[in-house]
Amino acid sequence: DAGVIQSPRHEVTEMGQEVTLRCKPISGHDYLFWYRQTMMRGLELLIYFNNNVPIDDSGMPEDRFSAKMPNASFSTLKIQPSEPRDSAVYFCASTPSGSSPKPTFTDTQYFGPGTRLTVL
Amino acid sequence: KQEVTQIPAALSVPEGENLVLNCSFTDSAIYNLQWFRQDPGKGLTSLLLIQSSQREQTSGRLNASLDKSSGRSTLYIAASQPGDSATYLCAVPGAGSYQLTFGKGTKLSVIP
Repeated sequence: DAGVIQSPRHEVTEMGQEVTLRCKPISGHDYLFWYRQTMMRGLELLIYFNNNVPIDDSGMPEDRFSAKMPNASFSTLKIQPSEPRDSAVYFCASTPSGSSPKPTFTDTQYFGPGTRLTVL
Repeated sequence: KQEVTQIPAALSVPEGENLVLNCSFTDSAIYNLQWFRQDPGKGLTSLLLIQSSQREQTSGRLNASLDKSSGRSTLYIAASQPGDSATYLCAVPGAGSYQLTFGKGTKLSVIP
């Protein structure tokens, strides 16, 4: 298995530009997570999806951030307009829900390599 | 709100030494606790996952313990090697959800 795939790996943009980050989860995983990592705040969950439906977006910092999951194999995180304080490493992760109707929490989350975003 | 703290923030040890990394959490109503490893410029890799009913998990030279009542977990690394140099993070899920709360990590350097 190729693991979780993220693109681009590095993105440098100017303030005010639109940024789109992409993620392909592991096949068969029905949960997908977007995280942001900074030195000051550490790793924070932004939003997560189950079966392509957003479940909890309470971590999304503001309306400039939006995330979509049009199908089971693709998700995007968009920032419009971008600001210097958005500079961070953005990670995507996925996990299977297991055989139980409710999450059994026995499976770990599998992380992609991250996208390092720099907004000038 | 769950808070996860890891002490120390950084640790440097000579090769071959045994070491312990600490993780504490404020809400003991957790389903499990996970330890991850993060190498520079890379994503997180799961090392060990301890269910709330367990007290410890072992994988090779790694042993993780969990004491829910005191809100603490430790990651023990035996006979450390330079390849163990990385940042180690612990994380706990929220009640009834997959939302993980992470500590800020301990950056480990093993000196040859």
